[in-house]
Amino acid sequence: EIVLTQSPGTLSLSPGERATLSCRASQSVSSSYLAWYQQKPGQAPRLLIYDASTRATGIPDRLSGSGSGTDFTLTISRLEPDDFAVYYCHQYGTSPRTFGQGTRVEI
Amino acid sequence: QLQLQESGPGLVKPSETLSLTCTVSGGSISSSSHYWAWIRQPPGKGLEWIGRMFYSGSTYYNPSLKSRVTISVDTSKNQFSLKLSSVTAADTAVYYCASNLLYWGRGALVTVSS
Repeated sequence: EIVLTQSPGTLSLSPGERATLSCRASQSVSSSYLAWYQQKPGQAPRLLIYDASTRATGIPDRLSGSGSGTDFTLTISRLEPDDFAVYYCHQYGTSPRTFGQGTRVEI
Repeated sequence: QLQLQESGPGLVKPSETLSLTCTVSGGSISSSSHYWAWIRQPPGKGLEWIGRMFYSGSTYYNPSLKSRVTISVDTSKNQFSLKLSSVTAADTAVYYCASNLLYWGRGALVTVSS
């Protein structure tokens, strides 16, 4: 099983600042099949990025994904109030599919 | 736009079987473009992939749960279901049904308690 380790656990930032979230895999993620999700309290995860760098429909270009192999990054260039949430990375290239433990972005 | 909705008992006794149903609207569960999955999240914790089924009927289960999990499809009702046997308190979680990466239900909290 591929273990995904996200860092940092919590990111304390202010609106307008840049957020950089990391996801490291215990082995190479096949075909860069890595996604990023945002989750707010009481809600289902929302797909932001898939295939490591492709934005899902409706996701603003302030959010970008990069990386390959074992190291992936989600960058939010200018934080807006709606961005404060928990973010999960998810690999879907190798079964069983796995998720990272999450990074909380807080004010 | 595909929509998914979980339903089922919110309380299950230890050692019994948890059963949930996901009703799909806005698309056919027989579509070859989709897979049908279950994912869970214990309160205050992260996400765990349970398993998925393809339209062909083939399934894949997380090895950590494989001995207790069954996912099946009812094409006549456009639904798919999850059964998890011999539950314990560790199975208390919000259970999500999902399709592909994009479509998720709102989630159903299932508590295992006597």
